[in-house]
Amino acid sequence: TQLLEQSPQFLSIQEGENLTVYCNSSSVFSSLQWYRQEPGEGPVLLVTVVTGGEVKKLKRLTFQFGDARKDSSLHITAAQPGDTGLYLCAGGDNAGNMLTFGGGTRLMVKP
Amino acid sequence: DADVTQTPRNRITKTGKRIMLECSQTKGHDRMYWYRQDPGLGLRLIYYSFDVKDINKGEISDGYSVSRQAQAKFSLSLESAIPNQTALYFCATKGWNTEAFFGQGTRLTVV
Repeated sequence: TQLLEQSPQFLSIQEGENLTVYCNSSSVFSSLQWYRQEPGEGPVLLVTVVTGGEVKKLKRLTFQFGDARKDSSLHITAAQPGDTGLYLCAGGDNAGNMLTFGGGTRLMVKP
Repeated sequence: DADVTQTPRNRITKTGKRIMLECSQTKGHDRMYWYRQDPGLGLRLIYYSFDVKDINKGEISDGYSVSRQAQAKFSLSLESAIPNQTALYFCATKGWNTEAFFGQGTRLTVV
């Protein structure tokens, strides 16, 4: 079973601060996806990274896939209250069929 | 209309009762999944199906069963509900090597 560990589990910060969330595994994944989930809703995709070392930016969010495709990070610059939510990473298998989810990072950004 | 629809959204049931959670999708995907979400544990896979005649157990299938009635419909049953099955349940659909699309979830409480 492939396992993904996310850290930290909880993060409470003030508006304007920067933060980084980590997603680590001992297994290699063919792709790594980041989802964001708001209360009462299902997770929604933010980004997919597929190449080792790949960096993608989505406004104030920067996603990186580790060189060995075993880990990933999500960096948020100047966090806003609207960034509050549960962030989940998910590793994709070679067949393109399965996603293994991490335990999630619950972020709260206070105004 | 939502791409993935789950019913009911909320349900309270008694220990020992049988309950069915339903999911339908309009994405036209073959792959459908049932996940369970508990605080701090992310999403754990219960069952998945790659087409109408294909059913596979996930990591936590004990106490659950599923039925793939059609390409667009995938239901999850708890034959005899127990309190530790109290959780948030998500149905998802996925194309080959694409993101997962989630329903809004069913909050199930077993008393």
